[in-house]
Amino acid sequence: AQKITQTQPGMFVQEKEAVTLDCTYDTSDQSYGLFWYKQPSSGEMIFLIYQGSYDEQNATEGRYSLNFQKARKSANLVISASQLGDSAMYFCAMREGDSGTYKYIFGTGTRLKVLA
Amino acid sequence: DSGVTQTPKHLITATGQRVTLRCSPRSGDLSVYWYQQSLDQGLQFLIQYYNGEERAKGNILERFSAQQFPDLHSELNLSSLELGDSALYFCASTQSGLSYNEQFFGPGTRLTVL
Repeated sequence: AQKITQTQPGMFVQEKEAVTLDCTYDTSDQSYGLFWYKQPSSGEMIFLIYQGSYDEQNATEGRYSLNFQKARKSANLVISASQLGDSAMYFCAMREGDSGTYKYIFGTGTRLKVLA
Repeated sequence: DSGVTQTPKHLITATGQRVTLRCSPRSGDLSVYWYQQSLDQGLQFLIQYYNGEERAKGNILERFSAQQFPDLHSELNLSSLELGDSALYFCASTQSGLSYNEQFFGPGTRLTVL
């Protein structure tokens, strides 16, 4: 079974509109972390946002927010006021395991294209 | 610039060969992670080192090995290379082995096996 599932291989959004990228995860750990990364065409991995499993508030970083629904095991990324520079591949990732033996699992990504 | 450096940026080699990828973490970061990203795929976690010790292992092939040196730089050795090993290899670092927050990724080494 997939540990991290990103069901949208590609998405389009109009400039200045908001977009939600879906991510569901599967873990039996009580303590885990969820991350979103952006990978532009240049290839580098850029950290966007982090949510800990015990964090009660949804994480926000500028135009990025993480809609964390623990019971549903979902961690969707919301990008508000999309910009052309947001066109990229977006990866959801989960950190699980015990202290000192963490593993990181990445989803297959969603390719976002922002239209002018 | 994340502060994580990786060399070389590109590497082209032949099947059966052996290569070494190098990573220098951010200043002060003790933990180094290695990932493999095949074409249009997500990242596969390979291995983690913390202050010179192996801490976690992912889907790393037996033909691959890694180590972290006293100066905290790390090397990933890939041997008996196959066509399927062609990928982008990332190194990432964090300040502590606990990794509460983000990993800082290097620019990657693009390996092409012909």
